[in-house]
Amino acid sequence: NAGVTQTPKFQVLKTGQSMTLQCAQDMNHNSMYWYRQDPGMGLRLIYYSASEGTTDKGEVPNGYNVSRLNKREFSLRLESAAPSQTSVYFCASSDRRQGNYGYTFGSGTRLTVV
Amino acid sequence: QQQVKQSPQSLIVQKGGISIINCAYENTAFDYFPWYQQFPGKGPALLIAIRPDVSEKKEGRFTISFNKSAKQFSLHIMDSQPGDSATYFCAASPHGSSNTGKLIFGQGTTLQVKP
Repeated sequence: NAGVTQTPKFQVLKTGQSMTLQCAQDMNHNSMYWYRQDPGMGLRLIYYSASEGTTDKGEVPNGYNVSRLNKREFSLRLESAAPSQTSVYFCASSDRRQGNYGYTFGSGTRLTVV
Repeated sequence: QQQVKQSPQSLIVQKGGISIINCAYENTAFDYFPWYQQFPGKGPALLIAIRPDVSEKKEGRFTISFNKSAKQFSLHIMDSQPGDSATYFCAASPHGSSNTGKLIFGQGTTLQVKP
């Protein structure tokens, strides 16, 4: 009954540090997504994975990389964090083939880069 | 760049009143229009959704109105309650994204319902 699980919930990084945000879903969904949420900007797509083994850039991919480790897990990596990457990051999953057009979101990771 | 524009940015409504949030999109290549509700510290959750072949969909106190010719859709919350206080996002799925399910989100509306 977990849905989409994101870790960590909070993180403070220094400029230039790297980190990986983890995401796992237990709904057997085919597609997974990473969004960032900033005030007044809504949710902007960073990267997505339509299916296991594929990844594609979204609207704001610069400074990020992703890995679709398996069907359950989709990680987001910041190689050299910058203050502009301070944001709340959400992972989501869906599967239109199952009739799940709507996303299931995780609870988010609040990242601060100082 | 396909866009979805949402207004107003914030909204204050008295308990029992009607909350109305509007969204507009810039091209016709969308085939699914969901609304999400987000409480502080939580991820967004699907509230209600509509397809372009339907002009209105109602679920309890929540109604989506869709105007295909005007490229606009709106969320109406009837008999608004303090528990409805949250941020609301509209979204649209580009046609042809049936294999990806990608969504483009509006900027969000923060709703406050006063007791």
